[in-house]
Amino acid sequence: DAGVIQSPRHEVTEMGQEVTLRCKPISGHDYLFWYRQTMMRGLELLIYFNNNVPIDDSGMPEDRFSAKMPNASFSTLKIQPSEPRDSAVYFCATTTLLDRGVYDTDTQYFGPGTRLTVL
Amino acid sequence: QQPVQSPQAVILREGEDAVINCSSSKALYSVHWYRQKHGEAPVFLMILLKGGEQKGHEKISASFNEKKQQSSLYLTASQLSYSGTYFCGTESYTGRRALTFGSGTRLQVQP
Repeated sequence: DAGVIQSPRHEVTEMGQEVTLRCKPISGHDYLFWYRQTMMRGLELLIYFNNNVPIDDSGMPEDRFSAKMPNASFSTLKIQPSEPRDSAVYFCATTTLLDRGVYDTDTQYFGPGTRLTVL
Repeated sequence: QQPVQSPQAVILREGEDAVINCSSSKALYSVHWYRQKHGEAPVFLMILLKGGEQKGHEKISASFNEKKQQSSLYLTASQLSYSGTYFCGTESYTGRRALTFGSGTRLQVQP
């Protein structure tokens, strides 16, 4: 399997511009997570989907951020308008919950990330 | 609330052992451990579940004290490849599926 695919790998934009980050999950994975990593705040969860439906978006910083998952093989994270404080590495991670009887949790596989710089 | 990791950083010589701790204020369903090398994505190491079940690989072990909401990662006979930042991600009963990550422990293994 190719693993989680993210694009672009690097994005440099100017303040006020719209930014769209993309993620292709591992085939068969029905959970998709968007994380943001900065030196100050560490690795924080923004939103996650299950079967293409947003489950928890409480980590989305503000209305400038939006995420969609139109189908099982594609998700986007959009920032409009972008600000310098949005500069970070954005990771997409996916998983599927194996049938383990009592336990139903499994590892998350991270994509390579998108390094966003807003000038 | 973010779990607390300790120590924040540690420097080892090859062959030495290290312990990284992760503590949460919430009742935990599971604890996940990841390692991240500079400029790369976090890579899964280990899951610890209620009841003591573990799933992981490499020469790394871990423990999970459910009563204290604490987990420890044990790195024995460290190798240069162990260098990186280690994160614990906690899954609580009230926030299933979502992981809350600690601030990380930077580990450097020197020859």
